[in-house]
Amino acid sequence: GAVVSQHPSRVICKSGTSVKIECRSLDFQATTMFWYRQFPKKSLMLMATSNEGSKATYEQGVEKDKFLINHASLTLSTLTVTSAHPEDSSFYICSARGGGANVLTFGAGSRLTVL
Amino acid sequence: QKEVEQNSGPLSVPEGAIASLNCTYSDRVSQSFFWYRQYSGKSPELIMSIYSNGDKEDGRFTAQLNKASQYVSLLIRDSQPSDSATYLCAVTFNNAGNMLTFGGGTRLMVKP
Repeated sequence: GAVVSQHPSRVICKSGTSVKIECRSLDFQATTMFWYRQFPKKSLMLMATSNEGSKATYEQGVEKDKFLINHASLTLSTLTVTSAHPEDSSFYICSARGGGANVLTFGAGSRLTVL
Repeated sequence: QKEVEQNSGPLSVPEGAIASLNCTYSDRVSQSFFWYRQYSGKSPELIMSIYSNGDKEDGRFTAQLNKASQYVSLLIRDSQPSDSATYLCAVTFNNAGNMLTFGGGTRLMVKP
């Protein structure tokens, strides 16, 4: 089945620093990947759609200059949280369509804690 | 305005009972329907997908879709404590570029 690998699984950083999260499709090509954020006991919130070779599409209210997305290849998308602040602490999850029509496969998620 | 609605729960059922999870969606042309299970601190994993009206069974899980009434449900037979998790309903809408829209999730607790 389709596998999406996400790294790192957990990261702690100081306020003001930048953090990069990687999302890889291991056994399929993904022209589109999705980045979600989830706060404790809340549902998934779509942040942006990552498009290979072009600019990402951001959801309303998501700052594109703060959450930089790069989708340079068919198997890799990265999310960089720039100048992180404590309120950016959250569970970030990427996903891609693989394994069947419209089936979304999720990475394991990255828990970001900003001190 | 939320487009996919779920009761947040928690829904508590005894071990061995049937757990019934419900999801309603807004009045837009809908295409595909999914149930994901998410354990605390983990990412969602796909349990079932359903695309046409009626029932679809997979082991202890049955998904039921009624497009006329705009609801999709998930039944879990012989519930086990290991089924305790948050269940997310997700829908793709034709006129939203097949984007997946998630409900808020229902927390299920299966008590031994």
